[in-house]
Amino acid sequence: AQKITQTQPGMFVQEKEAVTLDCTYDTSDPSYGLFWYKQPSSGEMIFLIYQGSYDQQNATEGRYSLNFQKARKSANLVISASQLGDSAMYFCAMREVPEGYQKVTFGTGTKLQVIP
Amino acid sequence: NAGVTQTPKFQVLKTGQSMTLQCAQDMNHNSMYWYRQDPGMGLRLIYYSASEGTTDKGEVPNGYNVSRLNKREFSLRLESAAPSQTSVYFCASSVSSPGGEQYFGPGTRLTVT
Repeated sequence: AQKITQTQPGMFVQEKEAVTLDCTYDTSDPSYGLFWYKQPSSGEMIFLIYQGSYDQQNATEGRYSLNFQKARKSANLVISASQLGDSAMYFCAMREVPEGYQKVTFGTGTKLQVIP
Repeated sequence: NAGVTQTPKFQVLKTGQSMTLQCAQDMNHNSMYWYRQDPGMGLRLIYYSASEGTTDKGEVPNGYNVSRLNKREFSLRLESAAPSQTSVYFCASSVSSPGGEQYFGPGTRLTVT
């Protein structure tokens, strides 16, 4: 079974609108960490936001927020006020405790295109 | 600070040739990783190292070997390259904690003909 599932291969959003990128995960461990990374066309991987499984509040970093629904095992990324520079691949990832925090599993990514 | 550096940036190999991808980080991180990225597959973990002197297999280790030379350096070796190993390879490092985000190198684009 896939540990991280991103069901949207590609998405379009109008500039200045908000967009939600979906991520569901699969783990039986109560302690884990969830991450989102951005990969622009230039290829580098950029860390965006982190959510711990015990965190009570949804994580936020500027225009990025993580909609964490633990019971549904979802960790959706919300980008508010989209900008042209947000066009990129976005990857959801999970770090699990039983692996000694070392193994990080990535989803297959969502390609976001922001339309002017 | 340079962060995570990788060499080379590009490489073309013939089937059966060998090569080593080099990775170094200057952030004093204990954990280091090698991933490969293929279209539609996301990033798949090849090997990781929790600390100097230790290495463990990830999801797709076949055809690769690694060496954690010291705390800074983590190399990936292809002993006998195959066309299926054509990919973009990323090295990453992080602190060893649940919230430790990974810092990635710029990647190596490898083509095996």
